[in-house]
Amino acid sequence: QQPVQSPQAVILREGEDAVINCSSSKALYSVHWYRQKHGEAPVFLMILLKGGEQKGHEKISASFNEKKQQSSLYLTASQLSYSGTYFCGTETAYNQGGKLIFGQGTELSVKP
Amino acid sequence: DAGVIQSPRHEVTEMGQEVTLRCKPISGHNSLFWYRQTMMRGLELLIYFNNNVPIDDSGMPEDRFSAKMPNASFSTLKIQPSEPRDSAVYFCASRHRDRGGNEQFFGPGTRLTVL
Repeated sequence: QQPVQSPQAVILREGEDAVINCSSSKALYSVHWYRQKHGEAPVFLMILLKGGEQKGHEKISASFNEKKQQSSLYLTASQLSYSGTYFCGTETAYNQGGKLIFGQGTELSVKP
Repeated sequence: DAGVIQSPRHEVTEMGQEVTLRCKPISGHNSLFWYRQTMMRGLELLIYFNNNVPIDDSGMPEDRFSAKMPNASFSTLKIQPSEPRDSAVYFCASRHRDRGGNEQFFGPGTRLTVL
């Protein structure tokens, strides 16, 4: 079942922060985050594994609450280059061969 | 290292025609995924292979769709006959199944338009 992302869209001024949430109705083994710019392919940002790990990527970090079956992506001091659509992809078991189910995406626009 | 390679990048065809999309995964990767992306349905997994073997094709919409992976460096997705509702961007992605991280690397996509 497809994870649910919120919000669907967000507009920021450069330097502002944002949080994107990803919720699943199923128990999760891992959550993957990708960013896709218009007309391009999705690009991997980070992966969070079962265990509540928090990872970071420059000023972008994420958390994974396996009890709540949700993950959050934190964008700090946003830059113009952060604009794009963010997708979470969820994996429900370690032995699924990497099969990811993606959320519907959150469109982020950073304005000067 | 070259990334995932897809061809063609753009395809325009008429309803009823056969369409073949091609993918070359990153060398050494042993898992390959085919996705379809539309505004309405988002990013959908169609089928994936591990070690050239199809593992899960539950996302393939109809019998008109078929996928093959004859060897570790090549895969095809075929639509026959094509219909206007098949218009979408089709992505191929690969990863190394046994390495930590399990990151999927996406190709540039094939934009298919069926008239």
